[in-house]
Amino acid sequence: GEDVEQSLFLSVREGDSSVINCTYTDSSSTYLYWYKQEPGAGLQLLTYIFSNMDMKQDQRLTVLLNKKDKHLSLRIADTQTGDSAIYFCAETLGTALIFGKGTTLSVSS
Amino acid sequence: GAVVSQHPSWVICKSGTSVKIECRSLDFQATTMFWYRQFPKQSLMLMATSNEGSKATYEQGVEKDKFLINHASLTLSTLTVTSAHPEDSSFYICSARPSRNEQFFGPGTRLTVL
Repeated sequence: GEDVEQSLFLSVREGDSSVINCTYTDSSSTYLYWYKQEPGAGLQLLTYIFSNMDMKQDQRLTVLLNKKDKHLSLRIADTQTGDSAIYFCAETLGTALIFGKGTTLSVSS
Repeated sequence: GAVVSQHPSWVICKSGTSVKIECRSLDFQATTMFWYRQFPKQSLMLMATSNEGSKATYEQGVEKDKFLINHASLTLSTLTVTSAHPEDSSFYICSARPSRNEQFFGPGTRLTVL
């Protein structure tokens, strides 16, 4: 199938690290993405990783890719209340993207 | 990053009317744009791929006569929901790719059909 799977909900305390996991389906996906969506808004591209990479770090964000297991994760260091949102992982299908159902991250102070 | 805009951001219409949603790439040209639909608390579902100068490519299950797409220029794609019904109420989001490995999304248009 073409389902991208994510856990639906994650709750952390401010200052902790958050790890959001994703399992994708198409081993030929060239890029894998993480998007952030705040309530009532569109999607904000957070980061992406090329399929021949294992890890990518961008400030507080670290993306890990296990291509063998088709597993992608997003780690947010020092999570802030402003990080509360829905996080979508996406894999490429041709030129379009296939999204997971999104993980709602709730950050409490 | 590149900027994609949508207009309107929110529209309420009566059942049976048609609604046009615009998607613009503001600082880059896009030969291809994408239209997604998102139901509350759900993921984005690709509806169609809009191609400048040619017909759009629709995903399985999406009625092309109901969701008319026109990619009139390299910076503008429009989605017209024809004869809208309450079940068409949704959040419609477009996206465009300024480069091969990046895809940027518009802020979305919330359509409510009464």
